[in-house]
Amino acid sequence: KAGVTQTPRYLIKTRGQQVTLSCSPISGHRSVSWYQQTPGQGLQFLFEYFSETQRNKGNFPGRFSGRQFSNSRSEMNVSTLELGDSALYLCASSLEAGTASSYNEQFFGPGTRLTVL
Amino acid sequence: GDSVTQMEGPVTLSEEAFLTINCTYTATGYPSLFWYVQYPGEGLQLLLKATKADDKGSNKGFEATYRKETTSFHLEKGSVQVSDSAVYFCALISTFGNEKLTFGTGTRLTIIP
Repeated sequence: KAGVTQTPRYLIKTRGQQVTLSCSPISGHRSVSWYQQTPGQGLQFLFEYFSETQRNKGNFPGRFSGRQFSNSRSEMNVSTLELGDSALYLCASSLEAGTASSYNEQFFGPGTRLTVL
Repeated sequence: GDSVTQMEGPVTLSEEAFLTINCTYTATGYPSLFWYVQYPGEGLQLLLKATKADDKGSNKGFEATYRKETTSFHLEKGSVQVSDSAVYFCALISTFGNEKLTFGTGTRLTIIP
């Protein structure tokens, strides 16, 4: 069974640009969560999508948005990039959402490393 | 709000040494607790979990016991190997609230032969 895939793996952008990252969950998984990982802040939750609906959101500005398609693939978008947005963006998928037990089955992708110059 | 405090790294040990990485938490309700591991260039992998007080999670020689009285979930391994070199994250999810994973800052472990 293929794991969670994220594209692209590396990305370099300049301040003010926008970027779209993609995540393909494990086949059959309907929940996709996104996290930002930085040396200073560690791993921070961005949002979670389940059946094309955002069911949970972290404390990030509105420049960070996402969506999920009918095939469970998800994209996240960051507009008006800032230097502080440089990070590893991780996507995780699970079968279901909404219960603590679903996180027992959460699988992470390798991440997209975004560098903002 | 929920929070996880992890032992600061980096930690460097010799092969076959005993490992402890401390983790304490603050949470509402009765959280489930997790340890994740991140190998170089990879995403996070679930290492072990515990869902209620006094539960012991174990995997690949690693163990952690859910201690409600001390709000702790320390990770231990009796004899580490070079292949255990990675970053380890303690995390929790509350059964109340918005059910999102809250992570500690991570501890980088390096094992030298």
